[in-house]
Amino acid sequence: DAMVIQNPRYQVTQFGKPVTLSCSQTLNHNVMYWYQQKSSQAPKLLFHYYDKDFNNEADTPDNFQSRRPNTSFCFLDIRSPGLGDAAMYLCATSRTGEQETQYFGPGTRLLVL
Amino acid sequence: AQSVAQPEDQVNVAEGNPLTVKCTYSVSGNPYLFWYVQYPNRGLQFLLKYITGDNLVKGSYGFEAEFNKSQTSFHLKKPSALVSDSALYFCAVRDPFRGSARQLTFGSGTQLTVLP
Repeated sequence: DAMVIQNPRYQVTQFGKPVTLSCSQTLNHNVMYWYQQKSSQAPKLLFHYYDKDFNNEADTPDNFQSRRPNTSFCFLDIRSPGLGDAAMYLCATSRTGEQETQYFGPGTRLLVL
Repeated sequence: AQSVAQPEDQVNVAEGNPLTVKCTYSVSGNPYLFWYVQYPNRGLQFLLKYITGDNLVKGSYGFEAEFNKSQTSFHLKKPSALVSDSALYFCAVRDPFRGSARQLTFGSGTQLTVLP
């Protein structure tokens, strides 16, 4: 089945130690998104790629970076995680022309010690 | 700016009874509206969407939603609730006329608990 895959599902890191979360998709969607979700709150969009074009939200901290080496993969890099960055990180994809319905992966829960 | 309100943080309903999860929205034009469900420690799962056409939209797992333009609402409904429907539900809106903007605006979420 076509799907959005996130690895790992759970990630533990230390305060200040860089961490990378990965997302892959078999849907062949051209748009990929990264969201941060805390404590069952609404997901907060960090950034998205429209094809190769990177779009950062105005309030996304510089500590968060992203890479999209090809259509299928997208990475979220947290350069120096703080305790406040502990959250669920959700990857989503959509295709232009399909009303941009977004399909989400299972998420990666990040714990910062 | 677009916005979504889910006025109820928590909805409790007995199994077998009908359920409604409320959502109201604000956009400048005709909205794209979505419902997602989230189970514990999982991603958001797409349930249904309204783009245009029939105001009553049917989705996955027996859920449906009714678009009401005059009341700017898009309430989620199910005729007979199941215990397995217990989850966190998010309403989301996108304004398709906001140029290249793609972001969904999510409501704050409603925790649905179906009691056996």
